Amino acid sequence: GENVEQHPSTLSVQEGDSAVIKCTYSDSASNYFPWYKQELGKRPQLIIDIRSNVGEKKDQRIAVTLNKTAKHFSLHITETQPEDSAVYFCAATDTGTASKLTFGTGTRLQVTL
Amino acid sequence: GAVVSQHPSWVICKSGTSVKIECRSLDFQATTMFWYRQFPKQSLMLMATSNEGSKATYEQGVEKDKFLINHASLTLSTLTVTSAHPEDSSFYICSARQGYYGYTFGSGTRLTVV
Repeated sequence: GENVEQHPSTLSVQEGDSAVIKCTYSDSASNYFPWYKQELGKRPQLIIDIRSNVGEKKDQRIAVTLNKTAKHFSLHITETQPEDSAVYFCAATDTGTASKLTFGTGTRLQVTL
Repeated sequence: GAVVSQHPSWVICKSGTSVKIECRSLDFQATTMFWYRQFPKQSLMLMATSNEGSKATYEQGVEKDKFLINHASLTLSTLTVTSAHPEDSSFYICSARQGYYGYTFGSGTRLTVV
């Protein structure tokens, strides 16, 4: 089955700096890679996603890149703000078959003033 | 947008009793529903996948007789934790799938077994 690794487990940045979170996956059949933000006790919220036919996607301060050959994808947050502080999870799935999302281990992002 | 309702949001039960958690897709029909468990400061771990009208597929290590999943319709799936014990205390979250890329999460249920 799919295995997703995520690094770093914690990340502290100053407000205004950039944050990068990296994930690797094992199943070459995976074709959909969403990123979620989760605040304490809340449901995961989709912040951006990328499909395997695209190498990069951007939405305002958030971007995701995908390298299918190396089987890794990254989340980039620019101009970080205190409200970006949360736990971020990457995930991967093969939408054509099992379709279950496999999550990374999570990154706790702390944006300090 | 797609909305998934999950109830209850929190529940406290005595050891040995059973608890039922409901997950409803309010404005779409979910082809597949997923149940996750999340322990404090950990990731979401998939417990089982359910399709309407068929038996759930459980992940390795998840006791199917303990975690009963019923997917009676395209909008409702239930998870029943039977004979709950303190180690079952966790945050349970459902997710409903719509189309290829639509995964919508419920608000989660905090289960505490005393």
